[in-house]
Amino acid sequence: NAGVMQNPRHLVRRRGQEARLRCSPMKGHSHVYWYRQLPEEGLKFMVYLQKENIIDESGMPKERFSAEFPKEGPSILRIQQVVRGDSAAYFCASSPGTQQETQYFGPGTRLLVL
Amino acid sequence: AQTVTQSQPEMSVQEAETVTLSCTYDTSESDYYLFWYKQPPSRQMILVIRQEAYKQQNATENRFSVNFQKAAKSFSLKISDSQLGDAAMYFCAYTFSGGYQKVTFGTGTKLQVIP
Repeated sequence: NAGVMQNPRHLVRRRGQEARLRCSPMKGHSHVYWYRQLPEEGLKFMVYLQKENIIDESGMPKERFSAEFPKEGPSILRIQQVVRGDSAAYFCASSPGTQQETQYFGPGTRLLVL
Repeated sequence: AQTVTQSQPEMSVQEAETVTLSCTYDTSESDYYLFWYKQPPSRQMILVIRQEAYKQQNATENRFSVNFQKAAKSFSLKISDSQLGDAAMYFCAYTFSGGYQKVTFGTGTKLQVIP
């Protein structure tokens, strides 16, 4: 059973470009969470999605960031017009969707903005 | 709002010795989960151990065990017989058990294992 998959593992963008990060949850998991880890810090919650629905985006910056989890395909975290402060590791986690379930994390995508 | 505090930015332990990493948290909820995650240099987040707040018995996973003090809101991790592969960042984390499970993380403790 494959774990949570994220791609790309490393992404380099110039300021003003767009970054698209993909997350495929574990098989059978319908809930996806995105977290951001700035250098030398812990993970901070960004957004929680179920299939075709955003449940909680309280941790997402109001501008330039968006997320989706379509009926088919991976979850996408999109960052428009990236700035250097967006450089971080972005982690995706998934859970089956029932309560009392542990979240399982992907390997992360390291975004570097030049 | 829930908060998780790790007051030890760095710790070191001799190989084969025991080390304890501290964590305190703040919540008004009575039913929740606590976790310790390990993040090695590869930066993969690996679940080490999980504790349900309604269980009085401390969780144990091989060389890893916790000391869960609910009244004190303390959740420390003990690593016995430390190995070189234990060197990593360790994050304490909390999630409320009702509804969905947004996880709140502490700032981490960097553990160095000395051969």
